Amino acid sequence: AQSVTQLGSHVSVSEGALVLLRCNYSSSVPPYLFWYVQYPNQGLQLLLKYTTGATLVKGINGFEAEFKKSETSFHLTKPSAHMSDAAEYFCAVSAANFGNEKLTFGTGTRLTIIP
Amino acid sequence: EAQVTQNPRYLITVTGKKLTVTCSQNMNHEYMSWYRQDPGLGLRQIYYSMNVEVTDKGDVPEGYKVSRKEKRNFPLILESPSPNQTSLYFCASSLFASSISGELFFGEGSRLTVL
Repeated sequence: AQSVTQLGSHVSVSEGALVLLRCNYSSSVPPYLFWYVQYPNQGLQLLLKYTTGATLVKGINGFEAEFKKSETSFHLTKPSAHMSDAAEYFCAVSAANFGNEKLTFGTGTRLTIIP
Repeated sequence: EAQVTQNPRYLITVTGKKLTVTCSQNMNHEYMSWYRQDPGLGLRQIYYSMNVEVTDKGDVPEGYKVSRKEKRNFPLILESPSPNQTSLYFCASSLFASSISGELFFGEGSRLTVL
């Protein structure tokens, strides 16, 4: 069984400040981990993913995340927030097995950027 | 343009009136899935399909039906809608039915209100 916990349903940061969105996961098998972003009135789109290999993964729009197995975490960061980053962000986990593309999503974190 | 198309985007209906939300993808993806998004609950999987004529229940299948007669289409059927099915629905597809590919492509969502 897999689960994801996102700490903080709402996060506000000033424009230009560091963005840190927290995600902890639980998985009985080696996980694949994902961050998706949802802009208003749109579907979700993939920001970045970790499958195997390098634990620091870079995604689109300057975001990156680090897989820390010992902490069961996959936090999303961006050094300098931009107004266009305002959106809802979802962390998701998938079992590293063939057979089902099912992703288990967290409850989401709404990011607000303060001018 | 590669996309997942859902219709209708918005629908208000009454309890018990059967409805179908259509989903079509033009990327020749094997895997398709339906999710519902509710505030504070994130996205929860309703049904998924790993290929034509292969469907299975997700986490919240009660009150829904699906079919996969063609690779590109995966309609969601509510035989007798109830108010607790008021939600935002997303169809998603992925190239393969495995965790390796990782990226789900989402439609823009269908907001359903059941009175």
